[in-house]
Amino acid sequence: GQNIDQPTEMTATEGAIVQINCTYQTSGFNGLFWYQQHAGEAPTFLSYNVLDGLEEKGRFSSFLSRSKGYSYLLLKELQMKDSASYLCAVPTMDTGRRALTFGSGTRLQVQP
Amino acid sequence: DSGVTQTPKHLITATGQRVTLRCSPRSGDLSVYWYQQSLDQGLQFLIHYYNGEERAKGNILERFSAQQFPDLHSELNLSSLELGDSALYFCASKTSGGPSTDTQYFGPGTRLTVL
Repeated sequence: GQNIDQPTEMTATEGAIVQINCTYQTSGFNGLFWYQQHAGEAPTFLSYNVLDGLEEKGRFSSFLSRSKGYSYLLLKELQMKDSASYLCAVPTMDTGRRALTFGSGTRLQVQP
Repeated sequence: DSGVTQTPKHLITATGQRVTLRCSPRSGDLSVYWYQQSLDQGLQFLIHYYNGEERAKGNILERFSAQQFPDLHSELNLSSLELGDSALYFCASKTSGGPSTDTQYFGPGTRLTVL
């Protein structure tokens, strides 16, 4: 099966940079997704990495190391609206990789 | 707005009852996924339909069932409800029915409260 680990909570200051880590164990890697979820709302897609390296998308970047089973999401120039949970997910092997297995999420609180 | 719609937004019911949650995927998407999110379990996959056919099952209880109709909307039926079924239920859609290399887009969810 899959196992995904993320820190439960993080706190950062408005305007700063924060890195949210995710480690995973899965047989047959097929990419890793990051989603943002504000409390009580739907998860929204942030990024998808399938190759090693850093992918930048505006203030958000995502990094993947397949050999280490490791990814991180980097958020720059933090804004108050970035306070949310960040979910790391990988395709679920038992479902032919059709569904996603999500980590428990990292709740980020941005302070003034 | 992801383009995925779900109704109702909130549902309050009693133990032992049966409810139906409805989801309409984004235009052009043939796949519908159902997920359950409770405080202690995180986001858990329940079931996947592609173009009317069941394609994958996750941790879905026997009391729960789903279907996808010819117009591609999907319904999740929850019966003999228990207190522990209280959760947010999300549906997500994507274009293909194969491995998840393309993005799943989530609807706004239905918050189910069982009293």
